[in-house]
Amino acid sequence: EPEVTQTPSHQVTQMGQEVILRCVPISNHLYFYWYRQILGQKVEFLVSFYNNEISEKSEIFDDQFSVERPDGSNFTLKIRSTKLEDSAMYFCASSVGGANYGYTFGSGTRLTVV
Amino acid sequence: DAKTTQPTSMDCAEGRAANLPCNHSTISGNEYVYWYRQIHSQGPQYIIHGLKNNETNEMASLIITEDRKSSTLILPHATLRDTAVYYCIVRVADDKIIFGKGTRLHILP
Repeated sequence: EPEVTQTPSHQVTQMGQEVILRCVPISNHLYFYWYRQILGQKVEFLVSFYNNEISEKSEIFDDQFSVERPDGSNFTLKIRSTKLEDSAMYFCASSVGGANYGYTFGSGTRLTVV
Repeated sequence: DAKTTQPTSMDCAEGRAANLPCNHSTISGNEYVYWYRQIHSQGPQYIIHGLKNNETNEMASLIITEDRKSSTLILPHATLRDTAVYYCIVRVADDKIIFGKGTRLHILP
């Protein structure tokens, strides 16, 4: 069964450093998403991406965050200057789109900011 | 604003059917009901969805009431691996998924 692949599985970074989280969505999917989950809390929507541009973003997704689809296969989330409160699991998801298809999520990247 | 209401937690004996309720009394005519689950710290997993009719797949069945104000997810023969948080979500096509707190389902041996 096709999978969404995320790398790395765990990243430790120092506060103020830039991090890039990587995702390889399912190849025929058109819609891409990033979510995050702070330990013990809900899964929160960050951003959706379609046709090479952001289609929607949440209040969490401020100027420190950016997304990119640099080639035909990768989808990245960049955090420019990490803060302690950015420590969370970050999940990438992709979808064909439309009502009759769910999202496929990756297994996540655990980001720890120290 | 929460569009769905689910019990915080439920227990079910292994091998029994697990019936997870969800209330969505303000659902609109063009909104679908989706169910996802999250096994500890893994990415959420799509289970099933429906609009009006009951649906069944290899994982579960979804029963939607005639007035569409509530639904039940049924795991017919629960196993220990079904222990997870189950999310009931209503959304229109192509809208983003918003997760609530879900129901923490414990399968008891």
